[in-house]
Amino acid sequence: QVQLVQSGAEVKKPGASVKVSCKASGYTFTGHYIHWVRQATGQGLEWMGWINTNSGGTNYAQKFQGRVTMTTDTSSSTAYMELSRLTSDDTAVYYCARRVVGAITLNWLDPWGQGTLVTVSS
Amino acid sequence: DIQMTQSPSSLSASVGDRVTITCRASQIISTYLNWYQQKPGKAPKLLIYAASSLQSGVPSRFSGSGSGTDFTLTISSLQPEDFATYYCQQSYSTSITFGQGTRLEIK
Repeated sequence: QVQLVQSGAEVKKPGASVKVSCKASGYTFTGHYIHWVRQATGQGLEWMGWINTNSGGTNYAQKFQGRVTMTTDTSSSTAYMELSRLTSDDTAVYYCARRVVGAITLNWLDPWGQGTLVTVSS
Repeated sequence: DIQMTQSPSSLSASVGDRVTITCRASQIISTYLNWYQQKPGKAPKLLIYAASSLQSGVPSRFSGSGSGTDFTLTISSLQPEDFATYYCQQSYSTSITFGQGTRLEIK
């Protein structure tokens, strides 16, 4: 079955960087973009950006421009999201999700990874 | 960016009730609208895609409608497992956005 499995929880100090992985299985990895979405405790879903797993092209939310880097390793069907210059406001659960494209260019996110908690604390 | 506004932000209902959640886009998005359900401690789960298509495996008591800027998610008869938070999401723009969520609670 189609599945995205993310890396485990991380604790980082302010100013550090974190790199979260998302390993795909059950489908052709390069056939679907991967999106990254985060959610602070008790808050809503915040989109961070996507990566075209075939070309490596990216589109980042303006809020994260200059601080986020999304990459892939097609040999292992794994996507990565690295966020630098962390502050306490970056404490959140980070999700990856596969983009599915249907008729015309209609698209949606399915499935989602299980989430990775990143805690930023001194 | 396209802004997505859900209403209500929270809702109390009873098992068996019919519930409707509304999502409004700040510009026309055709049917580029998806709905997700999220339970505490879990990842979001796709319910409805392209405004009205039911994702495989999702119970038929869930339905979606709308086009343009106004959309609705309806649960025809609430079940205990439906108490969760629901998010709409637009995929019209290459930069996607989510509504703020609607928390559905047991009355």
